[in-house]
Amino acid sequence: DAEITQSPRHKITETGRQVTLACHQTWNHNNMFWYRQDLGHGLRLIHYSYGVQDTNKGEVSDGYSVSRSNTEDLPLTLESAASSQTSVYFCASSETSGGSDTQYFGPGTRLTVL
Amino acid sequence: GESVGLHLPTLSVQEGDNSIINCAYSNSASDYFIWYKQESGKGPQFIIDIRSNMDKRQGQRVTVLLNKTVKHLSLQIAATQPGDSAVYFCAENTAGANSKLTFGKGITLSVRP
Repeated sequence: DAEITQSPRHKITETGRQVTLACHQTWNHNNMFWYRQDLGHGLRLIHYSYGVQDTNKGEVSDGYSVSRSNTEDLPLTLESAASSQTSVYFCASSETSGGSDTQYFGPGTRLTVL
Repeated sequence: GESVGLHLPTLSVQEGDNSIINCAYSNSASDYFIWYKQESGKGPQFIIDIRSNMDKRQGQRVTVLLNKTVKHLSLQIAATQPGDSAVYFCAENTAGANSKLTFGKGITLSVRP
């Protein structure tokens, strides 16, 4: 079955370290998204991509970057981790808009920055 | 583990009763709406969607109602079960927003046995 996976599921790192969170989907979806979820804020969009080599900033993109070298993967990199980036991170994907914009989510990565 | 339901409004219902979860959306130009369910420690899960040319859509035990006049969306769950306990949130897609969704903050549904 097609799915979307994230790894690692849990990560503890130190302030200032570079961290990369992986997202992999097998639906062949063009659109991929990264969100963070914090108490009191709901889901906030970090970065998104509409296809290979396309990346765009979301509302909370500072300190994060993404790259899209193929359809299946959109890794999220924290260039220099900060305590404010402790959060739960979700990746999602959707088909190219043409009918359904439903986003399907991965299981999440819980990141703790000490 | 951390509960994303903390600090969110909570709806408590008796097992077997019907639940109604409400959402006020922000953009009158939004043309597509989705309800998601999020259980503790898991990612949001698609429940049901509705387009703006519809007022009502039914799924298995769930119904979504859309009132565009007052920008209101509701999710009705029939015969609520313990497995329905979760955080529920609505999302809207605005025409021309290129597949991006705007998410509400969510409501915690707690089912009493």
